[in-house]
Amino acid sequence: GAGVSQSPRYKVTKRGQDVALRCDPISGHVSLYWYRQALGQGPEFLTYFNYEAQQDKSGLPNDRFSAERPEGSISTLTIQRTEQRDSAMYRCASSQTGASTDTQYFGPGTRLTVL
Amino acid sequence: AQTVTQSQPEMSVQEAETVTLSCTYDTSENNYYLFWYKQPPSRQMILVIRQEAYKQQNATENRFSVNFQKAAKSFSLKISDSQLGDTAMYFCAFEANFGNEKLTFGTGTRLTIIP
Repeated sequence: GAGVSQSPRYKVTKRGQDVALRCDPISGHVSLYWYRQALGQGPEFLTYFNYEAQQDKSGLPNDRFSAERPEGSISTLTIQRTEQRDSAMYRCASSQTGASTDTQYFGPGTRLTVL
Repeated sequence: AQTVTQSQPEMSVQEAETVTLSCTYDTSENNYYLFWYKQPPSRQMILVIRQEAYKQQNATENRFSVNFQKAAKSFSLKISDSQLGDTAMYFCAFEANFGNEKLTFGTGTRLTIIP
């Protein structure tokens, strides 16, 4: 596609519900990254994939958070039993080969609000 | 672990003037990349400029240039002939070059261009 897309753009949910956030990277991009951005802060790394393999999940805050990219393209970030502190902008980025020389292109983000 | 510090939460400047945004970072790595990303009110994340640490020459992109001081671990962004469209949050980011290409962001500087 022309750019990284994410859906939904906005998600409001009640505490305790599960949510699934989707990222569709730029076509052919090998690497995909998830970040979380709290209001007034910079994005913080959550996890990343090369193809379908999850390379680093050190930024996931706890075991309620998980991510997958089963076919090496679209990725889903799932938050189980959501809590109010999970409210944030969740951003996805992709890069062509995953090398440090590559630029990460960001999607528009999903704004999650947990009531 | 790497840290990125932006000590100017907010700045404002008259249209057509020049403004410099500050960024310092801490790392034990010798090879890495530094970035400035722009986040306009639309909340997109747009790459403004990047700098490879092994290059002594400062990067430039049209009206945007950096002053990279490796020894001082400083990476400032200069915007010349500022325009109303430059109004945005600006984030400085660091990426190590050792196989995990996650970005570490600063807390951002909110820049307002005054007409």
